[in-house]
Amino acid sequence: AQTVTQSQPEMSVQEAETVTLSCTYDTSENNYYLFWYKQPPSRQMILVIRQEAYKQQNATENRFSVNFQKAAKSFSLKISDSQLGDTAMYFCAFIHNNAGNMLTFGGGTRLMVKP
Amino acid sequence: GAGVSQSPSNKVTEKGKDVELRCDPISGHTALYWYRQSLGQGLEFLIYFQGNSAPDKSGLPSDRFSAERTGGSVSTLTIQRTQQEDSAVYLCASSLRGASGGAGEQFFGPGTRLTVL
Repeated sequence: AQTVTQSQPEMSVQEAETVTLSCTYDTSENNYYLFWYKQPPSRQMILVIRQEAYKQQNATENRFSVNFQKAAKSFSLKISDSQLGDTAMYFCAFIHNNAGNMLTFGGGTRLMVKP
Repeated sequence: GAGVSQSPSNKVTEKGKDVELRCDPISGHTALYWYRQSLGQGLEFLIYFQGNSAPDKSGLPSDRFSAERTGGSVSTLTIQRTQQEDSAVYLCASSLRGASGGAGEQFFGPGTRLTVL
């Protein structure tokens, strides 16, 4: 079974600064996908970024980038130039390389961006 | 186009009552998922539908929980004889399974907050 661990329940960052959220996972699979989802107070889960395990290059999406360390089973999210709108819960999630399987989520990190 | 919608947005019920939660997935998405988000348990998978295949019910916590998906589109999650521990946000997601396989992005609805008094 897969497990996903987010060791930081809460974090805060000053506006315009950079913050990194940690995520580790455990799996015996070799082909899988990793995701970071953002959940603002509206409850709507929004995909921030995804990483295919077979790709060595770290994914980037504008101000969001990941540091994917497959051997260490680590998948951290870096948010650059933090904005007030980045305030939300962030969930790391894992899925096996099969579009039918369900997501396994970490416990979440509550990020507060301070003005 | 329209995203995943869920109704009701909030539901308050008394212990022992039955409730039905509805999910309208994105048109054309063949896969539909139900998750539960609660304070003590985080985000948990409940059930998954893929096309006309038998659903994967492995995440349902008890036989009081059931779900159906009619015509490959709308889904209803039913909780019978609700208990206080059923209080949670119930999230629905849908995805378009690509012909080449791989993890299609799951698009989430806004959830239904269920409160059992």
